[in-house]
Amino acid sequence: DIQMTQSPSTLSASLGDRVTITCRASQSVSNWLAWYQQKRGKAPKLLIYQASSLESGVPSRFSGSGSGTGFTLTISSLQPDDFATYYCQQYNSYPWTFGQGTKVEIK
Amino acid sequence: QLQLQESGPGLVNPSETLSLTCTVSGGSISSSDHFWGWIRQPPGKGLEWIGSIYYSGNTYYNPSLKSRVTISVDTSKNQFSLKLSSVTAADTAVYYCARSLAAVFDYWGQGTLVTVSS
Repeated sequence: DIQMTQSPSTLSASLGDRVTITCRASQSVSNWLAWYQQKRGKAPKLLIYQASSLESGVPSRFSGSGSGTGFTLTISSLQPDDFATYYCQQYNSYPWTFGQGTKVEIK
Repeated sequence: QLQLQESGPGLVNPSETLSLTCTVSGGSISSSDHFWGWIRQPPGKGLEWIGSIYYSGNTYYNPSLKSRVTISVDTSKNQFSLKLSSVTAADTAVYYCARSLAAVFDYWGQGTLVTVSS
């Protein structure tokens, strides 16, 4: 299985901050990488697919980059609605696997 | 607007079989572009893909669960189902059904908590 490792596990930030979350794969996943946002008690929501493509309806302050084994999710200016947990997911090879999550908290 | 809704018992006895159904509305499960999958999340933990099915019945399972998992589809009811046998407390989780396009999960159900306990 491909292991996905996110860092940091928890991130404290203020409104308006630029936030970057990293996701590393144990082997290359090309650009077959998605990012999800999950709020407490809710289902995950797709933000980014194919490493850098923004899902329809997702604010443009979210962006993704990377390929191979290293990826980043960036929030350009943190908004109140963005405090949540973020997960990366590889879909290069079965089984699809997720990172352990990064919780973005209010500083 | 596509909607998915999980249903099934919230409490299952150890060693028994967990059974859940996902009802799809606002779209057809027979879409040639999509797979339909199950993902679970133990309380306070991360996400684990369980398996996915195509409307034709082709299935793909996580090897870690493959010996205990069966996913099936009923196109006449626009539903797909999950069975997980020989459950233990480690199977306690919120179970989500979701639609996937190229293995990216773009629509999710609200999730249902299944507790394994006697």
